[in-house]
Amino acid sequence: DVKVTQSSRYLVKRTGEKVFLECVQDMDHENMFWYRQDPGLGLRLIYFSYDVKMKEKGDIPEGYSVSREKKERFSLILESASTNQTSMYLCASSPTDEQYFGPGTRLTVT
Amino acid sequence: SQKIEQNSEALNIQEGKTATLTCNYTNYSPAYLQWYRQDPGRGPVFLLLIRENEKEKRKERLKVTFDTTLKQSLFHITASQPADSATYLCALADNYQLIWGAGTKLIIKP
Repeated sequence: DVKVTQSSRYLVKRTGEKVFLECVQDMDHENMFWYRQDPGLGLRLIYFSYDVKMKEKGDIPEGYSVSREKKERFSLILESASTNQTSMYLCASSPTDEQYFGPGTRLTVT
Repeated sequence: SQKIEQNSEALNIQEGKTATLTCNYTNYSPAYLQWYRQDPGRGPVFLLLIRENEKEKRKERLKVTFDTTLKQSLFHITASQPADSATYLCALADNYQLIWGAGTKLIIKP
């Protein structure tokens, strides 16, 4: 079975803090994604990566950056957390078309 | 504008009946469409993928149809069970990314 793990299930941070969310997959997938999910909205793509050290902006990259130094690990960074970044963050990996998700990190910024 | 729509109201179905969920889209020409299941506080789980040249796809009690003329996909669960209660998301392919609907909550009553 594909396993995608995320570093924290719940996280509470203060406005202005730098936040790191880590995602690790164990299936040697080329593609990895970061989404946020808010009530009443579909998943929105923040960044994705098709290879090590490669990254592409999604639909809502502002206020975020990413790092992919190793194939299995894709990190999402909030440079200076703001209250409007309170959300559920979901990481996914993909061999081709279908995506496999981690359990999500519920981030609250106060 | 481009849009993907799922019924935002919860769907209540009696156990044993067939549940049918709808996904409509506008201004896209997706090469394929996917359906996922999401339980509360968890990441989505991939269920089925149907390509633009396929009319119907089945997997156990699940059936998906894809009508590119109507720009609509239907997701059916036959012989529904309370364990099928969850939110179901559709996602369509758009230039190597997935565009997500907000999901429909399905409640199967015993």
